[in-house]
Amino acid sequence: DVKVTQSSRYLVKRTGEKVFLECVQDMDHENMFWYRQDPGLGLRLIYFSYDVKMKEKGDIPEGYSVSREKKERFSLILESASTNQTSMYLCASSFDLAGLGGEQFFGPGTRLTVL
Amino acid sequence: QQQVKQSPQSLIVQKGGISIINCAYENTAFDYFPWYQQFPGKGPALLIAIRPDVSEKKEGRFTISFNKSAKQFSLHIMDSQPGDSATYFCAAHNTDKLIFGTGTRLQVFP
Repeated sequence: DVKVTQSSRYLVKRTGEKVFLECVQDMDHENMFWYRQDPGLGLRLIYFSYDVKMKEKGDIPEGYSVSREKKERFSLILESASTNQTSMYLCASSFDLAGLGGEQFFGPGTRLTVL
Repeated sequence: QQQVKQSPQSLIVQKGGISIINCAYENTAFDYFPWYQQFPGKGPALLIAIRPDVSEKKEGRFTISFNKSAKQFSLHIMDSQPGDSATYFCAAHNTDKLIFGTGTRLQVFP
């Protein structure tokens, strides 16, 4: 049973703080993803990674960075949090050998509020 | 071109009725079309998926209808139950990522 865990369910930070969101998956998946979910906007891809130390920009990477030092762990970093980054953040992982689309397994999400 | 347009934004259905959610896309390079279901407080989970070489896929009460020429696909939930109340996202896969629709909040009343 695939499990994707996120370090916090709820987080409150102040404007300008550096924020780390951690995600860990236990199924040896190559691919990991960070999304943000906002009402009426669906899920928007921030960054993704196909392998350790590799990262690719998604659709909305501005204001974010990521780190993948180990296969099972993918971190999202807000260098200087702003109020417009208040959102639900979802991490996902998948095993997609052929690039033909594979099931993504999501964590429960971190609801981040930036004051 | 990378967008997936989903409608309606919200849907209220009586128990036993049919729920229909529609999605449309422009990019003909999309090669995989999944639907995800999300309950409150949980992450989305894969419900059902289809590839563009078939026009319909059925799993229990859930059916995807796919119209390649119209570039549209839809989710049908037959005999809708209160336990189906959730947010549903369609998505389309292109090369290396999924593009998600904006979501439909379904409420099924007894």
